[in-house]
Amino acid sequence: EIVLTQSPGTLSLSPGERATLSCRASQSVSSSYLAWYQQKPGQAPRLLIYGASSRATGIPDRFSGSGSGTDFTLTISRLEPEDFAVYYCQQYGSSPPKTFGQGTKVEIK
Amino acid sequence: EVQLVESGGGLVQPGGSLRLSCAASGFTFSSYEMNWVRQAPGKGLEWVSYISSSGSTIYYADSVKGRFTISRDNAKNSLYLQMNSLRAEDTAVYYCARELKWELPPDYWGQGTLVTVSS
Repeated sequence: EIVLTQSPGTLSLSPGERATLSCRASQSVSSSYLAWYQQKPGQAPRLLIYGASSRATGIPDRFSGSGSGTDFTLTISRLEPEDFAVYYCQQYGSSPPKTFGQGTKVEIK
Repeated sequence: EVQLVESGGGLVQPGGSLRLSCAASGFTFSSYEMNWVRQAPGKGLEWVSYISSSGSTIYYADSVKGRFTISRDNAKNSLYLQMNSLRAEDTAVYYCARELKWELPPDYWGQGTLVTVSS
């Protein structure tokens, strides 16, 4: 089973600032089958990034993903008020289970 | 418009059973693979189970293997999760989520249904 570890646990930033979130895997994620989700309180997760760096339909270009192997990053170039939420990474496409990271909360400073 | 609507959650005693349903609309359900993902109160996301578009391939998380059964009825555009021998640690919001193929992540999720296991 691939274990995903996200850091930091909480990121305190102001609107307009850049956010950098990390997701580290316990073993290599095949073919960069790594996704990022955003979740706001009381809502279902929303897919942001798949294949480590491809934006899902309708996702603004201030969201970008990068990385390969065991180290992946989600970057939000300039935080908008609606971006304050919890972000999860997930690995998929290899043998189950499709594990999630424990999440990073991006909060308003 | 794509819609996934879960139902069937509620309060159940430890050791009891519950059947969750997920009604799909707005897309060709039979072309999509489906997942159940859960989230305990205040906690992160946990993948529970997967079923292929035809129902021929099924996977479970170790935490539910032997107790939960995933199934689907493509004629009714519906996904199910039969949950038996429920434990307190199964308390969570259960989401159904679709994916086009195994090599893609779930791209659309329902709003979830809450299952509470308590005496």
